[in-house]
Amino acid sequence: SAVISQKPSRDICQRGTSLTIQCQVDSQVTMMFWYRQQPGQSLTLIATANQGSEATYESGFVIDKFPISRPNLTFSTLTVSNMSPEDSSIYLCSVRQGADSGTEAFFGQGTRLTVV
Amino acid sequence: AQSVTQPDIHITVSEGASLELRCNYSYGATPYLFWYVQSPGQGLQLLLKYFSGDTLVQGIKGFEAEFKRSQSSFNLRKPSVHWSDAAEYFCAVGGSARQLTFGSGTQLTVLP
Repeated sequence: SAVISQKPSRDICQRGTSLTIQCQVDSQVTMMFWYRQQPGQSLTLIATANQGSEATYESGFVIDKFPISRPNLTFSTLTVSNMSPEDSSIYLCSVRQGADSGTEAFFGQGTRLTVV
Repeated sequence: AQSVTQPDIHITVSEGASLELRCNYSYGATPYLFWYVQSPGQGLQLLLKYFSGDTLVQGIKGFEAEFKRSQSSFNLRKPSVHWSDAAEYFCAVGGSARQLTFGSGTQLTVLP
């Protein structure tokens, strides 16, 4: 298993500002992902954080809005840039310890973001 | 493309009653299927998973799920619900190493 520490757990931010969310894992993992969970909705994958290279973004998400870093195999950050109220969501870091399709995913406790 | 449908947005059961949460998936090959639970203010916790073999899978907290290929279903069951089971439940399919595809979730309310 993997234990994920995600910070901050919640924040209230002014529109137009940026917030960086940190994800720390207690072991080296192959795959790290960032998800968004809008109020009352399911999880939507934002991007896959690649160690030492640019993240791979899903359709509808761009690097300028959601820059991601992954300097090593245990840490990643997601920045939500130039925020608007529509960015109010829970942001979740997730890891999978293998590249096999059946490897389960572990999740951080999430960052609840409110933009005012 | 893979997809997951959870037809029940909200289910209410009495404590001690049995529970079944429905999940239907669409995937071109043998799917990898998961059930996660999310309690308020928490991340997602894995309840159980199915890869192959026995189609009845046992998980944590007394949950089980049955894979039915003919119906493309992976329903979650529990014989006797506890008040602490109140949460949101997500079914997911993992056909790619890149991501899991989640259903829309089912919110479970447990009445005393």
